[in-house]
Amino acid sequence: GAVVSQHPSWVICKSGTSVKIECRSLDFQATTMFWYRQFPKQSLMLMATSNEGSKATYEQGVEKDKFLINHASLTLSTLTVTSAHPEDSSFYICSAPTMSESTDTQYFGPGTRLTVL
Amino acid sequence: GDSVTQMEGPVTLSEEAFLTINCTYTATGYPSLFWYVQYPGEGLQLLLKATKADDKGSNKGFEATYRKETTSFHLEKGSVQVSDSAVYFCALSDDSGAGSYQLTFGKGTKLSVIP
Repeated sequence: GAVVSQHPSWVICKSGTSVKIECRSLDFQATTMFWYRQFPKQSLMLMATSNEGSKATYEQGVEKDKFLINHASLTLSTLTVTSAHPEDSSFYICSAPTMSESTDTQYFGPGTRLTVL
Repeated sequence: GDSVTQMEGPVTLSEEAFLTINCTYTATGYPSLFWYVQYPGEGLQLLLKATKADDKGSNKGFEATYRKETTSFHLEKGSVQVSDSAVYFCALSDDSGAGSYQLTFGKGTKLSVIP
């Protein structure tokens, strides 16, 4: 099946710094990627839809200036958490549908654990 | 809006026991329904899916039937193994426009199978 990678797998940063998380589709192209946030013992919450060549679409309540998304190519989307604070600590997951399969089938990255001190 | 409700865990079963994880949904349209599994330390993997009413998705001995009349998509397996220990997520997808489907997830059910 299709493979999605994320980098880094975990990161610890100081409050006030910015952190960039990469999401790559390794063996397929993705015009759309999705970014989720997962809190402990809770479900995945969709943060935004990343679109190659255009602006991301953010879900209600998600600060677009804080969570910057750039879909630079058909295989790479990045999420930058700017001026991170402890409440931003979470598990961030990306996903992407392939163009060759049904668009409602998505492949997920392994996630990035962010801890803000 | 769309929502998914699945039974709270954790669920602990002995090997070879029968598994049911309940999932119900609310949606305005005609969504596709999914079960995803997350093994320890790994990302979510699609386990099975059903795209229309009365469809049955199946994989690795797991089954779920899309029941429109009860808005349910319960996951079942006749005989679980230790290797089935994971967190299971029920989800639905709805067209968010331009052919891109967003997923709405349940909270997940952690399954532990003991020898």
